[in-house]
Amino acid sequence: DQQVKQNSPSLSVQEGRISILNCDYTNSMFDYFLWYKKYPAEGPTFLISISSIKDKNEDGRFTVFLNKSAKHLSLHIVPSQPGDSAVYFCAASAYGGSQGNLIFGKGTKLSVKP
Amino acid sequence: KAGVTQTPRYLIKTRGQQVTLSCSPISGHRSVSWYQQTPGQGLQFLFEYFSETQRNKGNFPGRFSGRQFSNSRSEMNVSTLELGDSALYLCASSDSSNYGYTFGSGTRLTVV
Repeated sequence: DQQVKQNSPSLSVQEGRISILNCDYTNSMFDYFLWYKKYPAEGPTFLISISSIKDKNEDGRFTVFLNKSAKHLSLHIVPSQPGDSAVYFCAASAYGGSQGNLIFGKGTKLSVKP
Repeated sequence: KAGVTQTPRYLIKTRGQQVTLSCSPISGHRSVSWYQQTPGQGLQFLFEYFSETQRNKGNFPGRFSGRQFSNSRSEMNVSTLELGDSALYLCASSDSSNYGYTFGSGTRLTVV
């Protein structure tokens, strides 16, 4: 049973527009969430995280929103750039992020077209 | 600061053999986690070591094992390899103050 779901395998966006990547989770014990970006033949790169005590966290062009009641989080990238084209993974932890047993979604491939 | 280093980058093994993969975390990081990435299952957590002790374990058979040394370097071992073990094996490290786990580039294991 998948505890973290990314229901869109792919997303295509025009350069300069907003990219919105979505993630749903089922385990109410999750209290820390992370987004990673992955290029082929490389390991995932940490982008941004959010604790369950917050509903929004921003870092430059990246903003993560958390809706605990809906068990849903989203990553907004504004403005999108061609270099953002990659696979994005949502991950969750039940230990406040302090222990390294992250549960990952299967990823969404983002294509940003010039 | 050097990143997480995984060796080897590529490996081809025969069914039934065993394999050992190595991970050197970022200096000062005491937590090392291992993940398996396959096209069908995505990234799945194998186990985590902290200060030489296994702190968490995922849902993998006992053929998958690991250890961590006093310098925080970690190894994972897979015995009696099966074709389905072909995957990218990723290692991530973290210190207690940084929850953005840093991943290595992975070891691509092919079992033939």
